Amino acid sequence: NAGVMQNPRHLVRRRGQEARLRCSPMKGHSHVYWYRQLPEEGLKFMVYLQKENIIDESGMPKERFSAEFPKEGPSILRIQQVVRGDSAAYFCASSPDTLRPQHFGDGTRLSIL
Amino acid sequence: DAKTTQPTSMDCAEGRAANLPCNHSTISGNEYVYWYRQIHSQGPQYIIHGLKNNETNEMASLIITEDRKSSTLILPHATLRDTAVYYCIVTATDSWGKLQFGAGTQVVVTP
Repeated sequence: NAGVMQNPRHLVRRRGQEARLRCSPMKGHSHVYWYRQLPEEGLKFMVYLQKENIIDESGMPKERFSAEFPKEGPSILRIQQVVRGDSAAYFCASSPDTLRPQHFGDGTRLSIL
Repeated sequence: DAKTTQPTSMDCAEGRAANLPCNHSTISGNEYVYWYRQIHSQGPQYIIHGLKNNETNEMASLIITEDRKSSTLILPHATLRDTAVYYCIVTATDSWGKLQFGAGTQVVVTP
């Protein structure tokens, strides 16, 4: 029973490049959440998606960040024109519905050179 | 703004019970109390949650006061692998399930 799978585990990008972070939810889970953890800080909610729909993106920066959860395939968090301040651990969580606990992946650690 | 208050850190001896307090004095009637923990370099791990009754599972027990303004997570027999940051989170049923993490409690289990 595989858990939430995130890849890559580590990603290094230069300033101005694009970063794509992938998240495969647990089997049977159609709700996906993305969180960001800046160095020495707590996790902050970014976006909540159901299949093909963004439900709540109130925590996502307005510029350069986007997320999708297509009908087939993993959820993608995309960061365009990365800057040093984007360096963080990005965690994905999934749940079967909003009333049951979320289960987290082990994150993608993004480093910007 | 976090809706919960937790001690910054606490130590616990291996084999003893660890009692982690959490204050949530502004909790609403439709808000659940969730506990997660984060072991270094890993994603948060769900522990337990409750609304108003005490709850127990294979990992821990959750004791919620009658007025629901505070709760205690109990790890009955702490092991070294329980060393982690523990987060107490309140979240409403109509908030789409999104979790608002605070700073948590750094728990160190010592031999």
